[in-house]
Amino acid sequence: EDQVTQSPEALRLQEGESSSLNCSYTVSGLRGLFWYRQDPGKGPEFLFTLYSAGEEKEKERLKATLTKKESFLHITAPKPEDSATYLCAVLHLTGGGNKLTFGTGTQLKVEL
Amino acid sequence: DGGITQSPKYLFRKEGQNVTLSCEQNLNHDAMYWYRQDPGQGLRLIYYSQIVNDFQKGDIAEGYSVSREKKESFPLTVTSAQKNPTAFYLCASSMAIASSQPQHFGDGTRLSIL
Repeated sequence: EDQVTQSPEALRLQEGESSSLNCSYTVSGLRGLFWYRQDPGKGPEFLFTLYSAGEEKEKERLKATLTKKESFLHITAPKPEDSATYLCAVLHLTGGGNKLTFGTGTQLKVEL
Repeated sequence: DGGITQSPKYLFRKEGQNVTLSCEQNLNHDAMYWYRQDPGQGLRLIYYSQIVNDFQKGDIAEGYSVSREKKESFPLTVTSAQKNPTAFYLCASSMAIASSQPQHFGDGTRLSIL
């Protein structure tokens, strides 16, 4: 069964304390992996797309990497404004064509 | 500014009532989607449309209906047949269906039962 699992479910960091969020997947025919940030009461905001193992993308304090079975979102020296839920979504091939499957997210809280 | 506008932000449904959620985009995207978000679950696809006057059921279409009369608009009706409608509803669009280009989202409508 196609599955996308994010861990941890929740993470509390002190300001400046770097860490990583994980998105592991068991799908057939990966077409792409997307990272989103979602603030409370808002829609997901697109961050990165990764297409193949070994690819990396960076934006400010965030860096996304991809292997054949998982993706990491590394947060370097986080600030309180990085607090949000981070979602990953995997575009993969199914019998009915391409499908986008979302993980349940990691809720990040960065404290002073 | 290009984007997706959802309205209203909050909506309350009475027993036996149909309600309609609005979604408008000015990104010139062909594909549009409706998702439902519940606590502890990933986004689940309700309906999608790849072109005007065409739409397809997603994974949880029962109790919902949609229309696509204009490229910019993709309203979702939550019918009285949907017995558990309380959720956060998100509309999204992309250049093409199941494209490798990312979907972009509106800011959602929170639907509750009165």
